[in-house]
Amino acid sequence: DAGVIQSPRHEVTEMGQEVTLRCKPISGHDYLFWYRQTMMRGLELLIYFNNNVPIDDSGMPEDRFSAKMPNASFSTLKIQPSEPRDSAVYFCASSLGPSPLHFGNGTRLTVT
Amino acid sequence: QKEVEQNSGPLSVPEGAIASLNCTYSDRVSQSFFWYRQYSGKSPELIMSIYSNGDKEDGRFTAQLNKASQYVSLLIRDSQPSDSATYLCADRNSGNTPLVFGKGTRLSVIA
Repeated sequence: DAGVIQSPRHEVTEMGQEVTLRCKPISGHDYLFWYRQTMMRGLELLIYFNNNVPIDDSGMPEDRFSAKMPNASFSTLKIQPSEPRDSAVYFCASSLGPSPLHFGNGTRLTVT
Repeated sequence: QKEVEQNSGPLSVPEGAIASLNCTYSDRVSQSFFWYRQYSGKSPELIMSIYSNGDKEDGRFTAQLNKASQYVSLLIRDSQPSDSATYLCADRNSGNTPLVFGKGTRLSVIA
């Protein structure tokens, strides 16, 4: 299995621009999670899906953030407009039920 | 607000020594606990999970759980320079709820 696949690996953009992060979970996994990691705040849950349905988005910091999962093999996290404080590493992870999380390699986002 | 607390470190130990990493959690209903290792620039990877009070051993790693004290620890015996990484503690309060992570403890094993 290829594992959880995220793209792009690195993204550098200017403040105000739209950013879209992509994730392909492990085939057969029914849970998908988006986490954000910074030095100050650690690894924070943004939103998670079960069977493509958003279950809890209370971790999404602002309305500028949105996430979708149109099918079992694809999810996006969009930031519009982006701000410098959004700079972080964004991880996607998937699991089958309560089994351990499998993380993707992450997207390092830099907003200048 | 559920919280998982860890000492940020860095924790420095000589090669061959025992490294002891500690974690406390605030949610009394937490049921399961996990230790993840994260190398610099990489994603977290699971190294241990523990669900019951007591010790759980896996090779050089031992996880210890004390639910009464809301305390989880990870012991690494015969520490190696390759163990140098950030160790993240996480808990979950029921089968399908998301993990809540601590900020991690940075471990440095000195050769």
